[in-house]
Amino acid sequence: GIQVEQSPPDLILQEGANSTLRCNFSDSVNNLQWFHQNPWGQLINLFYIPSGTKQNGRLSATTVATERYSLLYISSSQTTDSGVYFCAVAGNNRKLIWGLGTSLAVNP
Amino acid sequence: DTAVSQTPKYLVTQMGNDKSIKCEQNLGHDTMYWYKQDSKKFLKIMFSYNNKELIINETVPNRFSPKSPDKAHLNLHINSLELGDSAVYFCASSWDREGQQYFGPGTRLTVT
Repeated sequence: GIQVEQSPPDLILQEGANSTLRCNFSDSVNNLQWFHQNPWGQLINLFYIPSGTKQNGRLSATTVATERYSLLYISSSQTTDSGVYFCAVAGNNRKLIWGLGTSLAVNP
Repeated sequence: DTAVSQTPKYLVTQMGNDKSIKCEQNLGHDTMYWYKQDSKKFLKIMFSYNNKELIINETVPNRFSPKSPDKAHLNLHINSLELGDSAVYFCASSWDREGQQYFGPGTRLTVT
């Protein structure tokens, strides 16, 4: 099955800093989603982005499907950005396969 | 208005008991899911229904049985609970089988 690798596994930032999170996947996909799990456990869907670039406020994401990776950019980070960021992908079987996540801590 | 809701939020029970978790979505979505998140935060799909039809049934013990009475509801019944069933169970929904998924708040199950 498809393998999903996220990097870095852990990240510590000062408030106001920018960061890039990466998601590599081992096979072609037709579904890729980024999620944020906040410290209270809630999973929020950030982007549905099987290809191309999207922006939502301080967050943006780019997926280069032909090269099998996706990037999530966080600009001007805030303490509320802390939590775990997950990338999940699916191929033809339509089952989302999840990465292990990037754990982000933003310090004030 | 809560989009995807689950009850209960916490469930503490003893080994051998049977329990159910309920999920409801008011988004009008056709597809619903059950996920399990283990203690290391790894998420894995368990089941998915599309318009009340089971479309994904991962390798889970047959003690777990999903039921979808209508496309807005997906319940999970677990028989003969074991210690290893302790986890957070998330319900999610999407417009279709490939769409953006929206998650409920999770149910933290603790088996003692």
